[in-house]
Amino acid sequence: EGQLAESGGGLVQPGGSLRLSCAASGFSFRTYWMTWIRQVPGKGLEWVANIKEDGYEKNYVDQVKGRFTISRDNARDSLYLQMNNLRVEDTAVFYCARGGGHDVLTGDVFPLDVWGQGTKVTVSS
Amino acid sequence: SSDLTQPPSVSVSPGQTARITCLRHSLPKRYTYWYQQKPGQAPVLVIYKDSERPSGIPDRFSGSSSGTEVTLTISGVQAEDEADYYCQSADSSATYVVFGGGTKLTVL
Repeated sequence: EGQLAESGGGLVQPGGSLRLSCAASGFSFRTYWMTWIRQVPGKGLEWVANIKEDGYEKNYVDQVKGRFTISRDNARDSLYLQMNNLRVEDTAVFYCARGGGHDVLTGDVFPLDVWGQGTKVTVSS
Repeated sequence: SSDLTQPPSVSVSPGQTARITCLRHSLPKRYTYWYQQKPGQAPVLVIYKDSERPSGIPDRFSGSSSGTEVTLTISGVQAEDEADYYCQSADSSATYVVFGGGTKLTVL
C-alpha cells in the first residue's frame, strides 16, 4: 500500500529557510504524482504544491509561489519542499501525500490516498 | 470563501446516520474525495470518485453526488467515527487541489 515519512520541520525565524523531505516506501514512487499539504493548528487542510511523476510539471498555491520549490528524486524515492523567505503565516504541520495531480485517462484528479504523519514548521522570532 | 462549502459541525447519536454535505461553488463537475482526520493524526481517504470506498474502510461509509452537492453518509455511527471530515476536488484543469473547510462530526 505504501508509506510516507516526512522530516525536516522545526523552528525558524521569519525570512529563514527550511527543506522538508518525504521518504517513500512500499510503492513505485516514480509512477505517482506527489503533493504537499499543510494545516495550521486548529484549522483546515490547504494544498501547497504538487509535482508530476517525472518532475517536469510543478504547481503551487498562490501564497507560496516564488518562495517554495517542490522537487523529487525518483532514484532515492524522495520528495522535497524547499521553503525560503518563510513567514509567520507559514506555521503549520506539513504533510506529503501520494496523488493529487491530473489523471490523463479520466481528466480528473488523483486521490490523495497515502499520507505521511506530518512534520511541524514553526516560523517565529 | 471556499469553492467547497461544508457545515462546520454535525452531531449525531451512536447508531444514527450522519450526513455531511459539500457544496461545489464555481468549480467544474469533478470527482469528490472525502478524508477523515482524527486529532493528532494524518487524514485518511474514506471515499474516492464520489462514492467508491477504499479497501479497509467500513461499509457504513458511503458517498453520493447530485448536481453541485456531494454527500458523505455514515450509517450506524460509532464513537470511533468522531473526527473532522474534509471534502476535496480540483479546479478546471484538474491540477490544483481544493479542500472544503472541514466538518467536525461529534458523536453524542
